[in-house]
Amino acid sequence: DVKVTQSSRYLVKRTGEKVFLECVQDMDHENMFWYRQDPGLGLRLIYFSYDVKMKEKGDIPEGYSVSREKKERFSLILESASTNQTSMYLCASSYLTSGGETQYFGPGTRLLVL
Amino acid sequence: AQKITQTQPGMFVQEKEAVTLDCTYDTSDPSYGLFWYKQPSSGEMIFLIYQGSYDQQNATEGRYSLNFQKARKSANLVISASQLGDSAMYFCAMRESYNTDKLIFGTGTRLQVFP
Repeated sequence: DVKVTQSSRYLVKRTGEKVFLECVQDMDHENMFWYRQDPGLGLRLIYFSYDVKMKEKGDIPEGYSVSREKKERFSLILESASTNQTSMYLCASSYLTSGGETQYFGPGTRLLVL
Repeated sequence: AQKITQTQPGMFVQEKEAVTLDCTYDTSDPSYGLFWYKQPSSGEMIFLIYQGSYDQQNATEGRYSLNFQKARKSANLVISASQLGDSAMYFCAMRESYNTDKLIFGTGTRLQVFP
């Protein structure tokens, strides 16, 4: 079974802190994604990566950066956390392919910024 | 621009009954894929079913079926014989075009199954 793990299920940080959210997948997937999920807004793509050291902006990249030094690991970084970044963060991965290949999601990290 | 619309923020259904969750989409690309995911309260997104734009038949996976009406740009999820464990958020998503893996999500529908 594909497994996508995220470093924390729940996280509480203070405004201005630097926050690292880690995601690891064990299926040798090329693609990795970071989403944030907010009530009434669904999932919105923050950043994604098709390969090691490669990253592309999604729909809402402002205030975030990412790092992919190894194929299995994709990190989301909040350089200076703000209260409007309180949200659920979901990581996903998939093969670099088309058609019906789904993305596989991690359990999510609920981040609260005080 | 591609867009997914789920107009039902919440739905109720009695156990063992069937329920339809609505999803409409907008795209100018002739090649696309449509997905449904379930998100229980635990938070993890679970893949349910997929429909390709060129698929001739409606997709089915166990109790889940996708009512794909291409001309109307709708891809409704039908859950037959609802179970209490079906209570969750359900998201419709579209692959932007056939050769990318980016997904666009709708805002979701919360389904509550009652005894």
